[in-house]
Amino acid sequence: AQTVTQSQPEMSVQEAETVTLSCTYDTSENNYYLFWYKQPPSRQMILVIRQEAYKQQNATENRFSVNFQKAAKSFSLKISDSQLGDTAMYFCAFMVLDSNYQLIWGAGTKLIIKP
Amino acid sequence: ETGVTQSPTHLIKTRGQQVTLRCSSQSGHNTVSWYQQALGQGPQFIFQYYREEENGRGNFPPRFSGLQFPNYSSELNVNALELDDSALYLCASSYSTGSYEQYFGPGTRLTVT
Repeated sequence: AQTVTQSQPEMSVQEAETVTLSCTYDTSENNYYLFWYKQPPSRQMILVIRQEAYKQQNATENRFSVNFQKAAKSFSLKISDSQLGDTAMYFCAFMVLDSNYQLIWGAGTKLIIKP
Repeated sequence: ETGVTQSPTHLIKTRGQQVTLRCSSQSGHNTVSWYQQALGQGPQFIFQYYREEENGRGNFPPRFSGLQFPNYSSELNVNALELDDSALYLCASSYSTGSYEQYFGPGTRLTVT
């Protein structure tokens, strides 16, 4: 079975601090993408960052970066210089590319940025 | 460029009833995926439509059905509603069935009483 595990149900940090959200996944496939999505109270799912499994270099998008450990099947998200607007649910997900391209999701981590 | 829209925003139904949820895909997108997100959980894949045909289905019973129209908008129909169907239903569109990037709508909150 293909699964995603997010072991931190909730985290909170002070504004401007750095925070790391954990994610592990399980698949026997080799060709897949990994994603972090943000879901604010408005409910709209927003793509934060993606990582192609065949790439060894970790993806970076401004303040957001990932630590991708393929052998360990680990995909953590680091948010630097956290801002109040980063407060949201964060979901880790992956997509196997030779399937119907469905996203398989973790249960999410609630991130609270405190002023 | 218009984003993904969904209607209605929220609705309340009674157990046993039927419901139709609607999704308008982003301009230029021909693929629509539907997800169910129960409270406090991550989304689960229901099915995907590509050029008006179902292109894959998750572990959902046949009372969950869908349609995609020539303009690539889509409907999700749920018959014989059960209490456990209460959830946020998300629609996502993409350029093609092979595209990794899905653009999500704001969702429809369904409550079954």
